Amino acid sequence: SQQGEEDPQALSIQEGENATMNCSYKTSINNLQWYRQNSGRGLVHLILIRSNEREKHSGRLRVTLDTSKKSSSLLITASRAADTASYFCATNTNAGKSTFGDGTTLTVKP
Amino acid sequence: NAGVTQTPKFRVLKTGQSMTLLCAQDMNHEYMYWYRQDPGMGLRLIHYSVGEGTTAKGEVPDGYNVSRLKKQNFLLGLESAAPSQTSVYFCASSPHLGWENQPQHFGDGTRLSIL
Repeated sequence: SQQGEEDPQALSIQEGENATMNCSYKTSINNLQWYRQNSGRGLVHLILIRSNEREKHSGRLRVTLDTSKKSSSLLITASRAADTASYFCATNTNAGKSTFGDGTTLTVKP
Repeated sequence: NAGVTQTPKFRVLKTGQSMTLLCAQDMNHEYMYWYRQDPGMGLRLIHYSVGEGTTAKGEVPDGYNVSRLKKQNFLLGLESAAPSQTSVYFCASSPHLGWENQPQHFGDGTRLSIL
C-alpha cells in the first residue's frame, strides 16, 4: 500500500496565485521528499525535510512537516505556467528506500 | 554529467517476449532502484539494490528479475512479457553516505508497451 497520499489529486490555478498540496503518510519516517514530474519526464527532486524539522524553504517553495499528524504540505508561491507538472511526496523509512504517493497534478493557467 | 541514463527510451513487445532494460549512473551511487509508473499513479518499487552484487524485492517484483554486476549498472529483465507489464519504467540512484538526507536521482524513463 502507498505510504504517502497526496491531496488534492488535481489543482488548477491562475498564474501568480499560490498552490498548496498536502501529503499524508502512515508510519514513522526518517525524511519526506517532494518531487516534480513534467509530462513525459522523470522525477526531479525539489526539497527534502527531515523528521526533526518543521519547516523548510527553497526559493518559492515552502514545505512543512507535522509528524504528530503524519502530514506534510508543499506551498508554491507566485506560481508560473512553468510550474505546471505533477508533484509527488515520498517518505523514507529505512536506508535508501522511499515510498511514493500518487501525486497532485498542478495546472497553472497563464 | 549524464546522471542516470536509461536505455531504450521506448519499446514495443509481443506477449511472451523477453527483454532487458538498462540503467547506468555515473555518480558512484551505492543504491539503485527500478520503479514502474502506471497512468495517473505514483511510482511503485519493483526491485532495488544497496550495492554491487546485491538485489532485493520491492513492492511489485513478480514477473521481473534484476542484476547488479557492476556498481554503475542496474538491469531489469522481463522473462515473458505480459500486457499487465505495459508501463513506464524509471530507474533511480542515491548515495549511501548520508542517506538520511539524500534524494533519489531519476532517469527519464522507458516507455514499454506489451501487445
